Amino acid sequence: GIQVEQSPPDLILQEGANSTLRCNFSDSVNNLQWFHQNPWGQLINLFYIPSGTKQNGRLSATTVATERYSLLYISSSQTTDSGVYFCAVLTQGGSEKLVFGKGTKLTVNP
Amino acid sequence: SAVISQKPSRDICQRGTSLTIQCQVDSQVTMMFWYRQQPGQSLTLIATANQGSEATYESGFVIDKFPISRPNLTFSTLTVSNMSPEDSSIYLCSVQGSRASGGAREQFFGPGTRLTVL
Repeated sequence: GIQVEQSPPDLILQEGANSTLRCNFSDSVNNLQWFHQNPWGQLINLFYIPSGTKQNGRLSATTVATERYSLLYISSSQTTDSGVYFCAVLTQGGSEKLVFGKGTKLTVNP
Repeated sequence: SAVISQKPSRDICQRGTSLTIQCQVDSQVTMMFWYRQQPGQSLTLIATANQGSEATYESGFVIDKFPISRPNLTFSTLTVSNMSPEDSSIYLCSVQGSRASGGAREQFFGPGTRLTVL
């Protein structure tokens, strides 16, 4: 099956710093999503981005489908950005399913 | 985006018992999905539930252990049967946006049910 690899696995930042999270996937996909899981376990949709670039406030994402990777940029990080960031891809074929990477655990210190 | 609720939000259960988790969506959806997230791990798909048909289970998950009901287009239940401490996880239900919404297949998740088995 498809492999989804995220890097780095852990990231510690000081408040105000910028960061880039990466997601590589091993096969063509129909869809790619970025999620933020907060400390209470809630999964929050950040981006639905099968290709191209999108921005939402301090966050932006770019997916280059032909090269099978996506990047999530966080600028001017805040302590509330802490949590786990997941990349997930929707597989192609008869039975689509959303396959998750292992996540990047982000800690933003004040 | 869909609004999804789950009950219970958390529970502590004794081994050997069963727990049924409910998932309610505020709009009609064709497919509903159930995921498991073991402590410190990523999300793994348990099964896909279509209304009016048997759920489709992923490798490593069986109907006897995780029976699923899908009585209508807005509701589903997942039962965790004969529980052991290894079943301690967060269980999440999920739905996909309709193709009517610009062909998007964005997936949305409920708040999860945090299960601890003693």
